[in-house]
Amino acid sequence: AQKVTQAQTEISVVEKEDVTLDCVYETRDTTYYLFWYKQPPSGELVFLIRRNSFDEQNEISGRYSWNFQKSTSSFNFTITASQVVDSAVYFCALSSGGATNKLIFGTGTLLAVQP
Amino acid sequence: DAMVIQNPRYQVTQFGKPVTLSCSQTLNHNVMYWYQQKSSQAPKLLFHYYDKDFNNEADTPDNFQSRRPNTSFCFLDIRSPGLGDAAMYLCATSRGGQGTDTQYFGPGTRLTVL
Repeated sequence: AQKVTQAQTEISVVEKEDVTLDCVYETRDTTYYLFWYKQPPSGELVFLIRRNSFDEQNEISGRYSWNFQKSTSSFNFTITASQVVDSAVYFCALSSGGATNKLIFGTGTLLAVQP
Repeated sequence: DAMVIQNPRYQVTQFGKPVTLSCSQTLNHNVMYWYQQKSSQAPKLLFHYYDKDFNNEADTPDNFQSRRPNTSFCFLDIRSPGLGDAAMYLCATSRGGQGTDTQYFGPGTRLTVL
């Protein structure tokens, strides 16, 4: 069975601190896809990144970076120099692909960035 | 800009009174999804359409129905809303096909049941 675990329910940091959100996944598939979504208080789920199982290259986008490690089944997300606008719930998700690409979500991590 | 639109953003209905939520997309995507998200929980997939093919999740109550009259529009009908159906309803789309595609979400409709 597929499963995504986000052990951190809530994280609170002060602006400009770095913060890492953890994501651990379980799957028996050899091909799979991992995602991060941001959900601000307005409610919309905003796509941040997709990573394929065969591509373990880490990625950096501005203040955001992602560390994908198949050996530990983890796909962690780091925000550098956090800002108040980063305050949101962050969801990690897993998919095996296929025609309909069903997403398995983690329970989310609420990040509060204090000014 | 290509996007996923949901109307209304906020919907208030009475216990047992049917309600319809709307989703439209300009992405020309093949797949449209409906999720239910209750407070402090992850989104839960209710069903999805691949083109005109409807796919219901096994644990979706019969109270929830969906229609997709064309590629651009998809509707969620709640036939007799109960207090437990109060939630955020999210529509998403993806291109579908080989491999996988990113799901793009609309802003959601927050449903209140009185």
